[in-house]
Amino acid sequence: KNEVEQSPQNLTAQEGEFITINCSYSVGISALHWLQQHPGGGIVSLFMLSSGKKKHGRLIATINIQEKHSSLHITASHPRDSAVYICAVRGGADGLTFGKGTHLIIQP
Amino acid sequence: DAGVTQSPTHLIKTRGQHVTLRCSPISGHKSVSWYQQVLGQGPQFIFQYYEKEERGRGNFPDRFSARQFPNYSSELNVNALLLGDSALYLCASSLAPRLAGGAEQFFGPGTRLTVL
Repeated sequence: KNEVEQSPQNLTAQEGEFITINCSYSVGISALHWLQQHPGGGIVSLFMLSSGKKKHGRLIATINIQEKHSSLHITASHPRDSAVYICAVRGGADGLTFGKGTHLIIQP
Repeated sequence: DAGVTQSPTHLIKTRGQHVTLRCSPISGHKSVSWYQQVLGQGPQFIFQYYEKEERGRGNFPDRFSARQFPNYSSELNVNALLLGDSALYLCASSLAPRLAGGAEQFFGPGTRLTVL
């Protein structure tokens, strides 16, 4: 069973700061997902990646397959980025295995 | 285009009752997965269905069951409800159960179940 660890658990930063959220997993995977969850529960898929780096707007996701590690970066953070960011991995036949999430608060 | 829809939005039940949660995938998506998210935790995988067949099952008791219909919508059933079943139940759809590198999953808004 894959163990997914995220750090930090909680992060409070000032508007404009560069944010990094980390994810480590224990077993080889076929894909890693970064998800955003707002209060109320709705989950939005930000990235799905299996190698290298992806960028969408102010968000950047990287993955190092050898190190079993991924990072999500937010540049020029904004209060509307405040949410829970969840890392999830897919390995075998079953569904996604999720981390516990990183609670991010961006203060104006 | 409508995204993944779930009903009901909220539900309150008492211990011992049963509940049916419903999910309609994005048009064209044939795979539906169900997840349970207890407050303060990440979601946990319950079931995956593709083309009306169960393709994966998480570590949940037999009180949990699901099915997928010919139109690819799905129902999650939970019998003999326990207090610990209180959670947000999320449904996600994708084009296929798994592709090389994984298939992107699109999540519904969830059903919040409270068991008293």
